[in-house]
Amino acid sequence: AQSVTQLGSHVSVSEGALVLLRCNYSSSVPPYLFWYVQYPNQGLQLLLKYTTGATLVKGINGFEAEFKKSETSFHLTKPSAHMSDAAEYFCAVSGSGGSNYKLTFGKGTLLTVNP
Amino acid sequence: DTEVTQTPKHLVMGMTNKKSLKCEQHMGHRAMYWYKQKAKKPPELMFVYSYEKLSINESVPSRFSPECPNSSLLNLHLHALQPEDSALYLCASRKGLAGEETQYFGPGTRLLVL
Repeated sequence: AQSVTQLGSHVSVSEGALVLLRCNYSSSVPPYLFWYVQYPNQGLQLLLKYTTGATLVKGINGFEAEFKKSETSFHLTKPSAHMSDAAEYFCAVSGSGGSNYKLTFGKGTLLTVNP
Repeated sequence: DTEVTQTPKHLVMGMTNKKSLKCEQHMGHRAMYWYKQKAKKPPELMFVYSYEKLSINESVPSRFSPECPNSSLLNLHLHALQPEDSALYLCASRKGLAGEETQYFGPGTRLLVL
C-alpha cells in the first residue's frame, strides 16, 4: 500500500524567496517518487523524479528534491521563486518493480508567488 | 519527445449525447491511462491499458467506455453522462516496462455536461 501526504495545501512566497514544498510518503516497497506541476487549465508536467541512485534529484525550472529514506520524505525546493512558478504541485509515489503501475498522488499544494 | 496529445481541448455535451475523447502518443509507450480530475483535486485513475489490453478498471460507471485501437491511440467513449461528470480528463502514457514508472500526461480535455 502507498500513500502521499503533502503538508500545506497552500504555500505563499515572495518573488526571489526560497520555495519549499513538503511531501512525505508511505510505501511497502522501494518507492519511485515524482513531482508534477500543473498550470491553470493544463495537464501535469513532470518536474523531476527519483528512482534509484543519487538521492538529490535536479529537475526542470531550477527545482530539486532530496529523497530521505529515514524521514520518508521527498521535499521540493527552489532557491529563488519566480512569478512563473505559481501553479499547483503534486507529489506522487509508485512502487518499483513488479506489476505496480499505479501512481498515488498527494492532494496537491498551490504555490502563490507575490511580487 | 515526451508528448501526449488529446482532442478535443474543450467539450460541452448534453446528458443524452454520445461523444468521444481521443488520446495519442508516438513514443512507443505500451501503457496508457485515463484519469479524471475535479477542480482543486488530484487526478483519479479510471482505466489502464497495458499492451492494448484493459488491465485496470477502477469501478468506473459504464457510461464511460474506453477503447485502445492500437498501441498509439486511446479513446474514451462517453454516453448518457451526468453533470457531476464534468471535469478535466487526462490521458497519460508510460513505457510499460518494469522499472520504467514515469507517466507522461497530455494537456487534458475539459468536459462540461449540461
